[in-house]
Amino acid sequence: DIQMTQSPLSLSASVGDRVTITCRPSQSIDIYLNWYQQKPGRAPTLLIHATSRLRTGVPSRFSGSTSGTDFTLTISSLQPEDFATYYCQQTSTRPYTFGPGTKVDLK
Amino acid sequence: DVQLVESGGNLVQPGGSLTLSCAASGFTFSSYWMHWVRQAPGKGLVWVSHIFNDGVTTTYADSVKGRFTISRDNAKNTLYLQMTSLRAEDTAVYYCARGGNDWSFDSWGQGTLVTVSS
Repeated sequence: DIQMTQSPLSLSASVGDRVTITCRPSQSIDIYLNWYQQKPGRAPTLLIHATSRLRTGVPSRFSGSTSGTDFTLTISSLQPEDFATYYCQQTSTRPYTFGPGTKVDLK
Repeated sequence: DVQLVESGGNLVQPGGSLTLSCAASGFTFSSYWMHWVRQAPGKGLVWVSHIFNDGVTTTYADSVKGRFTISRDNAKNTLYLQMTSLRAEDTAVYYCARGGNDWSFDSWGQGTLVTVSS
């Protein structure tokens, strides 16, 4: 199975901050890396698919990219509604594994 | 709007069985792969199973293989997960999710809680 690591596992930030979360798969996954947001007590929602493709309706402050073996989710200016847990997921190979999640909370 | 509504979660004893359902609406259900994903209390997301749109091809996580069966009724727009030989470690919120572009999971239900305990 492909293992997904995320860093950091938690971070504290302020409204307006630029936030970056990194995801690293244990083997090559081509572009098949997705990002989800989950708020407490709610189902996850898809933000970005295939590394950098923003899902329709997701604010443009969210972006995804890759460099080398790392994949990155960036929130350019954190908004109050962005405090949540973020998960990466590879869909290159079944089983479709998720990262452990990164919790973003208020500093 | 796409809507996925899970049901069937309950408290069940170890070794017991349970069937979850996911009612789909707002899209052509028969055209999409579907998935089950679970989340143990306070833990992360774990993919459980997937089924092709034709209902023939299925895959499972090793942790549930041989115990869980995914199926679908395209005429009823409903996805199922039959769970047998349940263990305490199967305790989780179970979500159904639609397979979207680039094999992402683009729509999720609200989840249904399965608790395995004596």
